[in-house]
Amino acid sequence: DIQMTQSPSSLSLSVGDRVTITCRASQNVVSFVNWYQQKPGKGPNLLIYSASTLHSGVPSRFSGSGSGTDFTLTISSLQPEDFATYYCQQGFITPYTFGQGTRLQTK
Amino acid sequence: EVQLLESGGGLVQPGGSLRLSCAASGFTFNKYAMSWVRQTPAKGLEWVSTITISVTNTFYADSVKGRFTVSRDNSKNTLFLQMNSLRADDTAVYYCARRVTGDIVFDIWGQGTMVAVSS
Repeated sequence: DIQMTQSPSSLSLSVGDRVTITCRASQNVVSFVNWYQQKPGKGPNLLIYSASTLHSGVPSRFSGSGSGTDFTLTISSLQPEDFATYYCQQGFITPYTFGQGTRLQTK
Repeated sequence: EVQLLESGGGLVQPGGSLRLSCAASGFTFNKYAMSWVRQTPAKGLEWVSTITISVTNTFYADSVKGRFTVSRDNSKNTLFLQMNSLRADDTAVYYCARRVTGDIVFDIWGQGTMVAVSS
């Protein structure tokens, strides 16, 4: 199975901060990486697909980059509604594996 | 509004069975592959199964293969997951998710249903 390793596992942040979350795949997944946001008690919401394409309706402060094994999710200026947990996921080969999550907390 | 609503979760003894349902609304259900994904605090998000549009193909994680069966009723806009021989490590919140056409991207998720396997 392809392992997706996210870092960091958590961050303490303030509104307006720039946030960078990284995800490393254990083997080449080309650009088949997606990013999701999840809030407590809810299902995940798609943010970015194919490494860098912003999903419809997602604010432009979210962006993704990377290819091969290293990927990044960036939030340019953190907003109050962005405090949540973020997951990467590879869609290159079954089983479609997820990272362990990065939790953004208020400082 | 595009929506997925899971139901059927609950408490079941080890070795027991449970059938989850996922009612879809707000989109043309028979034009999308559908998946089940589960989540636990310990293991995080884990893809469980996918079924294609025409039910031609089904795919399973090794951890559930031979015990779980995914199906769909396109006439009722409903996805199912039949879970047999349940084990303690199947305890999780189970989500249904819509898969984007052509890519392994889950663009719509339900709110989840809790399955607890315990004696």
